[in-house]
Amino acid sequence: KQEVTQIPAALSVPEGENLVLNCSFTDSAIYNLQWFRQDPGKGLTSLLLIQSSQREQTSGRLNASLDKSSGRSTLYIAASQPGDSATYLCAVLADRGSTLGRLYFGRGTQLTVWP
Amino acid sequence: ETGVTQTPRHLVMGMTNKKSLKCEQHLGHNAMYWYKQSAKKPLELMFVYSLEERVENNSVPSRFSPECPNSSHLFLHLHTLQPEDSALYLCASSRGTGTYNEQFFGPGTRLTVL
Repeated sequence: KQEVTQIPAALSVPEGENLVLNCSFTDSAIYNLQWFRQDPGKGLTSLLLIQSSQREQTSGRLNASLDKSSGRSTLYIAASQPGDSATYLCAVLADRGSTLGRLYFGRGTQLTVWP
Repeated sequence: ETGVTQTPRHLVMGMTNKKSLKCEQHLGHNAMYWYKQSAKKPLELMFVYSLEERVENNSVPSRFSPECPNSSHLFLHLHTLQPEDSALYLCASSRGTGTYNEQFFGPGTRLTVL
């Protein structure tokens, strides 16, 4: 069974710092990997999606990398801001030998950026 | 706004009550999903509907009963729930269920079972 682990579970930093959030998965047979953001009491917002054939994706101050063979992904946040405070979730779309993909989620990293 | 709405946003119910959660997507998608997010576990897939047919039931207890009357609406009917069923229930939709279809999530319903 696919398991997704995120480290650290929580992170508190001052504004302006560059951050790295880590995600690892046990089965490298994936179709893609997504990073989501979840604000308290709200749903998930997709940040970046990396297909299994890609190495990285960038959106603004966010950069996500994928090393499928080693089962790892990192989310890099440049010049962090208080508005970045949220829980960041990593999810992999697993290959189960059928056309139906299934997302497996990590528990998330709770990020607090203080002014 | 992701184009996926859920009602109610908060629900408190007793173990003997019957209630329903509603999800609606305005994206023209053909697949819809129910997920459960509890404090003790990662976000878990419960059900998947594709073109109004249930294509996956992830070993969910029968006290949860999904319904998909059309491709835009998804319901989760609840009856005789347990306190451990208290969680955030999230709905999502995607264009299809294939491997390159990105899922879009609603804001969730926070359920508390007393």
